[in-house]
Amino acid sequence: GAVVSQHPSRVICKSGTSVKIECRSLDFQATTMFWYRQFPKQSLMLMATSNEGSKATYEQGVEKDKFLINHASLTLSTLTVTSAHPEDSSFYICSAQRGYNEQFFGPGTRLTVL
Amino acid sequence: GNSVTQMEGPVTLSEEAFLTINCTYTATGYPSLFWYVQYPGEGLQLLLKATKADDKGSNKGFEATYRKETTSFHLEKGSVQVSDSAVYFCALNLQGGSEKLVFGKGMKLTVNP
Repeated sequence: GAVVSQHPSRVICKSGTSVKIECRSLDFQATTMFWYRQFPKQSLMLMATSNEGSKATYEQGVEKDKFLINHASLTLSTLTVTSAHPEDSSFYICSAQRGYNEQFFGPGTRLTVL
Repeated sequence: GNSVTQMEGPVTLSEEAFLTINCTYTATGYPSLFWYVQYPGEGLQLLLKATKADDKGSNKGFEATYRKETTSFHLEKGSVQVSDSAVYFCALNLQGGSEKLVFGKGMKLTVNP
């Protein structure tokens, strides 16, 4: 199957700082990528849809100024958590779409904000 | 709205036991249904899918049948192995709509030798 990577896998930062998470499709081009957030014992919640060359589409309740998404190329999307606070601590997962009904997921990034 | 409800675990089984993970859905249109699996330390992987009523998805000994009348997509395996230990997610998306997936909460399965 196709491979999607995320970097970093874990990050710890101080409150008030910004953190960037990268999502890369390693062996295919992805016009569309998705960013999810997963709380402990909860399902994955879609945060936004990232489209190459255009603005991301955010789900209701997700602050676009706090979670900046840039889909700079067909193989890279980045999520920047700005001015992070402890409540932003979570597991962030990206996926990349290849064809119809085919999403490939990254391994996730564990963010801890102190 | 669209939602997925699945059995919550965690569940622990012995090797060769029968597995059923229930999943029911609510959708405004005609969804495609999926089971994803997440092995320890890895990303979600598609396990199987079904795109219309009465379709059966199967992979690695797992099966699930799209039941429109009961809005269900239960996952089954006749004989689990230790290597099946993972978290299992049921999900849907709406055909003809965006590719956005709606997930259930996931169920952690541990299989002991």
